[in-house]
Amino acid sequence: AQKITQTQPGMFVQEKEAVTLDCTYDTSDPSYGLFWYKQPSSGEMIFLIYQGSYDQQNATEGRYSLNFQKARKSANLVISASQLGDSAMYFCAMRGHLSGNTPLVFGKGTRLSVIA
Amino acid sequence: NAGVTQTPKFRILKIGQSMTLQCTQDMNHNYMYWYRQDPGMGLKLIYYSVGAGITDKGEVPNGYNVSRSTTEDFPLRLELAAPSQTSVYFCASRKGGQGSHEQYFGPGTRLTVT
Repeated sequence: AQKITQTQPGMFVQEKEAVTLDCTYDTSDPSYGLFWYKQPSSGEMIFLIYQGSYDQQNATEGRYSLNFQKARKSANLVISASQLGDSAMYFCAMRGHLSGNTPLVFGKGTRLSVIA
Repeated sequence: NAGVTQTPKFRILKIGQSMTLQCTQDMNHNYMYWYRQDPGMGLKLIYYSVGAGITDKGEVPNGYNVSRSTTEDFPLRLELAAPSQTSVYFCASRKGGQGSHEQYFGPGTRLTVT
C-alpha cells in the first residue's frame, strides 16, 4: 500500500521568495511516480509536476521543481519567485506499479498563502 | 477538446434520495476514477475503471455504485444518500500506457445531503 504524508497544514511566504512544501511517501513498489497538484479556491485540480522513481534528474516545470530524495522517501515541491496567484492548496500524490493501473493516492495537502 | 466534464456542478439531496453524478471524457482515455474530497482533506478514491466494462473498488466505495458501458462515460450512483456523503466529488481520467502519467480532473460536483 502507498501512503503520502504532508506535515505542513499551512505555509506563508513573501511574494517573490522561494518556498518548499514537504512531502514524504511510503511504498514497497520498486517503480512509482510522484505528483504535485494545485487546488486554488475555485476548486479545480491542476497538475503541476511529475517525478518517476527511476528518473535520474529532479523534475522541473517553469517555477516548479521537485526535490526528489529517494533514500529519504521525500518529494518536496519548490516554488521559486512566489506570486500572489500561487496561494492555494497543494497536494502531493503517488502512484505505484507504474506499469499497471494503480490509482493515485493523495496526501492531506498544504495550504500556501503568498503575502504581498 | 472539452477534457473531463462533470454534471451537475452543485446538488442538494435529502437523506434517502438517490442520484447519479455524470462524468464524460473526450480524450479516449482508458482509465477513469471517482474521488471524494471532504472539507480540508485530500482526495480519497471511491471507484475506478481500467476500460469499458471493468470497474473496481477504491478506498471508500460503500454507498456508491459505478458502471462503465462506454470509454467516454463513467457515472457514479448514490442509492440512499446519507449526510456522510456530503462532499466534493471529482472525476478524473488517464490515458494509460508507457509515459502517460498525468491524470486529468473534472471541475468537481459539490454535493450536500441534509
